[in-house]
Amino acid sequence: NAGVTQTPKFRVLKTGQSMTLLCAQDMNHEYMYWYRQDPGMGLRLIHYSVGEGTTAKGEVPDGYNVSRLKKQNFLLGLESAAPSQTSVYFCASSKRGQGVGDNEQFFGPGTRLTVL
Amino acid sequence: RKEVEQDPGPFNVPEGATVAFNCTYSNSASQSFFWYRQDCRKEPKLLMSVYSSGNEDGRFTAQLNRASQYISLLIRDSKLSDSATYLCVVTTLREYGNKLVFGAGTILRVKS
Repeated sequence: NAGVTQTPKFRVLKTGQSMTLLCAQDMNHEYMYWYRQDPGMGLRLIHYSVGEGTTAKGEVPDGYNVSRLKKQNFLLGLESAAPSQTSVYFCASSKRGQGVGDNEQFFGPGTRLTVL
Repeated sequence: RKEVEQDPGPFNVPEGATVAFNCTYSNSASQSFFWYRQDCRKEPKLLMSVYSSGNEDGRFTAQLNRASQYISLLIRDSKLSDSATYLCVVTTLREYGNKLVFGAGTILRVKS
């Protein structure tokens, strides 16, 4: 079991470029999430998915798009990268939705993105 | 005001010491509470859930005080391997559903 994997691990972009971050999980989890983590701030939810073919906005969705074409994959796209999107991006998955009992979220190792 | 506030630390303690962290949350309707651990440049991992009755897992004890809206984490007999950032996490109702809100974390450094 690889758990949750993310590619790439590091990326440097120029302002205006686009890219896609890939998240994959092999635990057959229904729910998947994308977070960003910035210094001095907690993880913030960008988008999430409650199942294959569904996506929804989180707390900070602007400038990002997502797709969940297959249950095991959750893609995060940056349409036109900006320096404010420099961050560490974490993908996570869980069996059920947040706040439903003790529903542990399993995180991927993160992607460190720098936008110049 | 942040929804979940933690003392960023760092807490520098010797091996064997007992150390405690507190975390306050602003939404009285928050329902579930957790402590996650994050090692340097790694992903967060669930350390333990926090129940109203308090709970203990080995050297770790978590407590919840709903009246004062804070949760705590006590680590006894600190080990070098306990050095990490500890994230306080609560579930809070948002317009898009019940979601986890993460504190910025408290840094613990255990020294020999």
